Amino acid sequence: GDSVTQMEGPVTLSEEAFLTINCTYTATGYPSLFWYVQYPGEGLQLLLKATKADDKGSNKGFEATYRKETTSFHLEKGSVQVSDSAVYFCALLQSGGGFKTIFGAGTRLFVKA
Amino acid sequence: GAGVSQSPSNKVTEKGKDVELRCDPISGHTALYWYRQSLGQGLEFLIYFQGNSAPDKSGLPSDRFSAERTGGSVSTLTIQRTQQEDSAVYLCASSLAGPLTGNTIYFGEGSWLTVV
Repeated sequence: GDSVTQMEGPVTLSEEAFLTINCTYTATGYPSLFWYVQYPGEGLQLLLKATKADDKGSNKGFEATYRKETTSFHLEKGSVQVSDSAVYFCALLQSGGGFKTIFGAGTRLFVKA
Repeated sequence: GAGVSQSPSNKVTEKGKDVELRCDPISGHTALYWYRQSLGQGLEFLIYFQGNSAPDKSGLPSDRFSAERTGGSVSTLTIQRTQQEDSAVYLCASSLAGPLTGNTIYFGEGSWLTVV
């Protein structure tokens, strides 16, 4: 079945460091891909999305490119801030009549001042 | 309301009791989803509603779990004869239309269930 695998956390970085959180997926058809973020004490929020191959989603300095050839959707940010500390979830939405959004296990990011 | 609203935010119940969790989606959203997040685990899909019908119930972990949605709006997730392994955060989400490509899913803040 379809699945999402993302790197295990926690990831600890210093402020202004470069961030990469790896995400790979297994899916039939052409899913849409998403990154969600959960800040402490809050619900999940959509961070960015890409709906087809080679699309780049971007928001708040974060970027991710839909790579069909490597079945990846890695999240990157050039310079993290303390306020970026959160849990990040990679997810896919099935195409072709499937109804599920399938999530990875989440990666916790700690950014130190 | 402005967002997806869930209640209760926290519930402690004794093993064997029944619990009901409520979700009020964003007004006008026809699609509604329930997920579960256990400690240290990723999000687990439970059930999806389109309007009042549930085309995908494949994620319900056992027959102790059931869900309904009335009037195309509020949904209730019921867990009968709760067990300790049911302890988790139960998340509700909604989207404007069905899960077509590119739909954004909006999540509530979750109901934290602890079975003691």
